Amino acid sequence: GENVEQHPSTLSVQEGDSAVIKCTYSDSASNYFPWYKQELGKRPQLIIDIRSNVGEKKDQRIAVTLNKTAKHFSLHITETQPEDSAVYFCAASTTSGTYKYIFGTGTRLKVLA
Amino acid sequence: NAGVMQNPRHLVRRRGQEARLRCSPMKGHSHVYWYRQLPEEGLKFMVYLQKENIIDESGMPKERFSAEFPKEGPSILRIQQVVRGDSAAYFCASSLPGVQETQYFGPGTRLLVL
Repeated sequence: GENVEQHPSTLSVQEGDSAVIKCTYSDSASNYFPWYKQELGKRPQLIIDIRSNVGEKKDQRIAVTLNKTAKHFSLHITETQPEDSAVYFCAASTTSGTYKYIFGTGTRLKVLA
Repeated sequence: NAGVMQNPRHLVRRRGQEARLRCSPMKGHSHVYWYRQLPEEGLKFMVYLQKENIIDESGMPKERFSAEFPKEGPSILRIQQVVRGDSAAYFCASSLPGVQETQYFGPGTRLLVL
């Protein structure tokens, strides 16, 4: 069935360093890939998304890259700050289907001051 | 422009009782999704509804769980005869017709079954 794998499960970086989170999806029909940030006890918040017709998208300190051939996509956060500490989830969706999200298992990012 | 609303935020039930979770989508959104998040885990899709229609319920347990999204009022996720394993955070998300891929999440309902 559809599956999204996410690595690493935990990640600690020093403030100012970069963080990279990687996801792999199984459904070749997937064509929309959002990333969500979830702080403890809060709702998931969309931070960036990418569609399959582009290979990279950037928004200030956050960027996402997509390799459709390899079915990989990654989140890059540069110049990390303590407030970036949270759990990050990747997801894959098929816009010709029911649009349901298949989520990765999450990455707990800790930015050390 | 209020975001997705869910109530109650916290719900405590004893085994065997019913739980009713409500979700009011963002204004203009006619598509609602329900997801379940077990402690320390990711979100799992349960059901996708449009007004008065269940579009995809492939993630719903076969028994005790049901969902609806009536013409008027919020979407409701109903869990009958709750068991301890139902304890989780239940999130709903909504999206605009025509832009279904972008989903906005509510604050969740944290269900605790004693």
